[in-house]
Amino acid sequence: ETGVTQSPTHLIKTRGQQVTLRCSSQSGHNTVSWYQQALGQGPQFIFQYYREEENGRGNFPPRFSGLQFPNYSSELNVNALELDDSALYLCASSDSGTGTYEQYFGPGTRLTVT
Amino acid sequence: QKEVEQDPGPLSVPEGAIVSLNCTYSNSAFQYFMWYRQYSRKGPELLMYTYSSGNKEDGRFTAQVDKSSKYISLFIRDSQPSDSATYLCAILPASSGGSYIPTFGRGTSLIVHP
Repeated sequence: ETGVTQSPTHLIKTRGQQVTLRCSSQSGHNTVSWYQQALGQGPQFIFQYYREEENGRGNFPPRFSGLQFPNYSSELNVNALELDDSALYLCASSDSGTGTYEQYFGPGTRLTVT
Repeated sequence: QKEVEQDPGPLSVPEGAIVSLNCTYSNSAFQYFMWYRQYSRKGPELLMYTYSSGNKEDGRFTAQVDKSSKYISLFIRDSQPSDSATYLCAILPASSGGSYIPTFGRGTSLIVHP
């Protein structure tokens, strides 16, 4: 059983640019959630995808968008990057069909916006 | 008032000490409680999960939930330097419309020195 993987590990972008982050969910998991974690803070929920549909969204602007693919992998896209977008972006997968609530996180992508 | 409050620490203890980590929450609808461990520059790792008041043990770790006080704790016995990490509590309501989206505390930094 493979765990959650994310790519790239690190990324440096300039303000105003666009970025795409990728996540492969744990085998057998159908739900992917994305979080933003600023330094010294807990993860903040961005959105969740279940079977390719957005299934919940946190308090993030529309320039944060996502996709989930038939194999349950996922992308997070951020347009018009701002300095405050610098953070660790975490992907977590879970299996919503079992009635359990455990989420398993990937190692994260560290985004720096200059 | 934040939904989940957690003292950021750092909490510094000698090896072998019993560690107590705590979170308080404000919403009585929260019913599921999780503890994650996060090493520096890594993704959170699920340690324990419980949904009832009382204690749950797993090796050196004990999770305790007091729903009447809206207070949860994680105890670590015989702490080791390898336990040095940030510990995040995460809490879910009983029903969230089919989407399982936990609210995280900001994490407590634990340092176990030899």
